[in-house]
Amino acid sequence: AQTVTQSQPEMSVQEAETVTLSCTYDTSESNYYLFWYKQPPSRQMILVIRQEAYKQQNATENRFSVNFQKAAKSFSLKISDSQLGDTAMYFCAFMTNTGTASKLTFGTGTRLQVTL
Amino acid sequence: GAVVSQHPSWVICKSGTSVKIECRSLDFQATTMFWYRQFPKQSLMLMATSNEGSKATYEQGVEKDKFLINHASLTLSTLTVTSAHPEDSSFYICSAKGPYPSADTQYFGPGTRLTVL
Repeated sequence: AQTVTQSQPEMSVQEAETVTLSCTYDTSESNYYLFWYKQPPSRQMILVIRQEAYKQQNATENRFSVNFQKAAKSFSLKISDSQLGDTAMYFCAFMTNTGTASKLTFGTGTRLQVTL
Repeated sequence: GAVVSQHPSWVICKSGTSVKIECRSLDFQATTMFWYRQFPKQSLMLMATSNEGSKATYEQGVEKDKFLINHASLTLSTLTVTSAHPEDSSFYICSAKGPYPSADTQYFGPGTRLTVL
């Protein structure tokens, strides 16, 4: 079974600064997907970024980027130029590449607070 | 694109009654839908996976007779909590996945807060 570990329950960052959220996972699969989802106070889950394991290049989406280290099974999220709207719960998630039956395994989440 | 809606957004019901929650994919066809439960300050717990036209697959420990899931069309799945009790109070979230816009990504609804008195 796959497991996802987020070791930082809470983090705080000042506006305009950079913060990195950590995530590690355990799997015996070689082909899979990794995601970061954001859950703001509204509780709507929002996809932040996704990474295919077979791609060596780290995914980026505007101010969000990942550091994917496949051998170390690490998938950290870097948020640059943090904004107040980035305040949310961030979940790291893993999915195997098994078609329509693919299920997401979530980490326990990191609560990020962006301050003035 | 990839918008998923849920209705109702919140519901209060009396113990012993049944409650139905709808999950719709508004701009794409959802071949697979997922139902999650989330307790306060916790992560999402997968309850079941449903493929259009097929019976749902429930996770271990989830009572299929209590949480009835129907996925009758490519845009609609429903979760019915039967004979609800206070311990069923929770935040229920659905997600949907289809061949487009991305076959490997789940898109989430805004959730439904259920309170059972």
